[in-house]
Amino acid sequence: NAGVTQTPKFRILKIGQSMTLQCTQDMNHNYMYWYRQDPGMGLKLIYYSVGAGITDKGEVPNGYNVSRSTTEDFPLRLELAAPSQTSVYFCASSYLLGKDLTGELFFGEGSRLTVL
Amino acid sequence: KQEVTQIPAALSVPEGENLVLNCSFTDSAIYNLQWFRQDPGKGLTSLLLIQSSQREQTSGRLNASLDKSSGRSTLYIAASQPGDSATYLCAALAGGTSYGKLTFGQGTILTVHP
Repeated sequence: NAGVTQTPKFRILKIGQSMTLQCTQDMNHNYMYWYRQDPGMGLKLIYYSVGAGITDKGEVPNGYNVSRSTTEDFPLRLELAAPSQTSVYFCASSYLLGKDLTGELFFGEGSRLTVL
Repeated sequence: KQEVTQIPAALSVPEGENLVLNCSFTDSAIYNLQWFRQDPGKGLTSLLLIQSSQREQTSGRLNASLDKSSGRSTLYIAASQPGDSATYLCAALAGGTSYGKLTFGQGTILTVHP
């Protein structure tokens, strides 16, 4: 099982450039999440999705956009990259439906983004 | 808004000690609480998950407890080893009107020295 796959693993951007971080999962999970982690800090929620076609903002959505056209894919788009977006980005997924499921979260390995 | 706090921020102990990591959350309407381990430069590995209806979970030398009424969870590590050195994160999964939203604490950096 591939689990949650993120690409690219590393990327350097210039200020003002745009890019998309890809995330795909093969576990048929309905919930997917994007987090960012700054050095020495915990994870902050950027966006999450409860299923195909449905997305919602987290704590720090400014400067990012997401879409969820399929159950498997949840890309994160950075428009007009800024140095403040230098961070490690994690995608995660889980299956939540009623009280009988654990809702265990599975993470990708992360994408390290530097904006210069 | 859910807020999750972990204490202490860092902990250094000699090998063999038993230790406790603390996690507190402000909104008790949680679906579950999860503990993760993160090694430097790596992703997150799930350690234990406690459902809102449960009081504790155990896996090997790890034991996690949950007290929803007081908004607290603890991770107990028995007989610590240098290989336990890592950052430990707790995360509360919201129930109720914010169902599915996961909020992380800032983590406890654990160092176990030989």
